[in-house]
Amino acid sequence: DSGVTQTPKHLITATGQRVTLRCSPRSGDLSVYWYQQSLDQGLQFLIQYYNGEERAKGNILERFSAQQFPDLHSELNLSSLELGDSALYFCASSSSGGRGTDTQYFGPGTRLTVL
Amino acid sequence: GESVGLHLPTLSVQEGDNSIINCAYSNSASDYFIWYKQESGKGPQFIIDIRSNMDKRQGQRVTVLLNKTVKHLSLQIAATQPGDSAVYFCAENIRGDDKIIFGKGTRLHILP
Repeated sequence: DSGVTQTPKHLITATGQRVTLRCSPRSGDLSVYWYQQSLDQGLQFLIQYYNGEERAKGNILERFSAQQFPDLHSELNLSSLELGDSALYFCASSSSGGRGTDTQYFGPGTRLTVL
Repeated sequence: GESVGLHLPTLSVQEGDNSIINCAYSNSASDYFIWYKQESGKGPQFIIDIRSNMDKRQGQRVTVLLNKTVKHLSLQIAATQPGDSAVYFCAENIRGDDKIIFGKGTRLHILP
């Protein structure tokens, strides 16, 4: 158990809908990262937050947005969902400045299925 | 596109043998590398890392080798066990960048 929690574990929805994925980092970790993993693909970095502020942005679509709250939990919002958005979404956290050399601890993921 | 890639998508190894998983990278500015293990239904788990000022680092039953000349990284697992069955990802951090870039993964299959 990494200490990172994600809810829900599974999510099934329809095209055009909007969903919110939630992540709670390890106790004391200030950085949260979001990744998308499609079937048999590697992890695509979406976005990183550090202590409430956006720190780095990757291949995140404009239909997707995220935020980190004062209690350091984070939410990833996915809107106008398309079939191709079906994937595993992982959250990771790290302890300090959120630099690329910090060890990232991953949550168990949320499996999103868009029908 | 991604600069980190893997030579083989699937590797089958006899239980008890050593496993070697390879990874190539293309960005000479990458100076930190990590190996992650992802078991079925779980999130990636950190195994071992190495910085570019080293060419070898050892952990418990795992060794990472870095060859900067040919931009190649490998993960060696000694005495492979059934519990080592997983997908292994290499990842890199480019100097000065906040994010890490993952390769596509190699599936390690253990033969009885």
